[in-house]
Amino acid sequence: QSALTQPASVSGSPGQSITISCTGSSRDVGNYNFVSWYQQHPGRAPKLLISEVHKRPSGVSNRFSGSKSGNTASLTISGLQAEDEADYYCCSYAGDHAGVFGGGTKVTVL
Amino acid sequence: EVQLVESGGGLVQPGGSLRLSCAVSGFTFSSFWMAWVRQAPGKGLEWVANIKEDGSEKGYVASVKGRFTISRDNAKNSLFLQLNSLRVEDTAVYYCARDTGWSRFDLWGLGTLITVSP
Repeated sequence: QSALTQPASVSGSPGQSITISCTGSSRDVGNYNFVSWYQQHPGRAPKLLISEVHKRPSGVSNRFSGSKSGNTASLTISGLQAEDEADYYCCSYAGDHAGVFGGGTKVTVL
Repeated sequence: EVQLVESGGGLVQPGGSLRLSCAVSGFTFSSFWMAWVRQAPGKGLEWVANIKEDGSEKGYVASVKGRFTISRDNAKNSLFLQLNSLRVEDTAVYYCARDTGWSRFDLWGLGTLITVSP
């Protein structure tokens, strides 16, 4: 179970859109449409943003959207706001009831 | 109100043991898989283990297999993680999370810190 690959950091100015990639393999991201994304502010518990590649739970802003192509999933944040500055993690189902997270991406709002 | 409250963390020496608990309220505990996810200081999230609604199926990340045991008591709405043969690299905040299936963690506790140090 190797960790999924995310860029260490992504930055953008308020109002801009940014995209965070999450690259796995044919054993996880490429084999299942069960990719989720989490937002974590410093000292806080993670919060579910996206599940099943592109589904937003109730209460999550529609500025967050997810997609997947092959072994790579992506999270796009549109209309970037100061409150979006946080760490973001992808997670994929990897079979046999196991999950695997990405290494995390720090989003900075310039 | 939904709550997941972890307890049992602390400082332990390498080779030692700890038992974590997660007290759940606000949803039907016995209807959901549950999981433990950890985060080493300054590092990313790592799925550690999960357990089926009735406890009949369990999964572990390779690095903890044979050392950690996940269990649950549906009568007491509680999730547990027994950690044995602890290593320095097990130092982390351990989160209890509801797993709605396919590694979708929609509810999280605040976490409990385990520090493994000589």
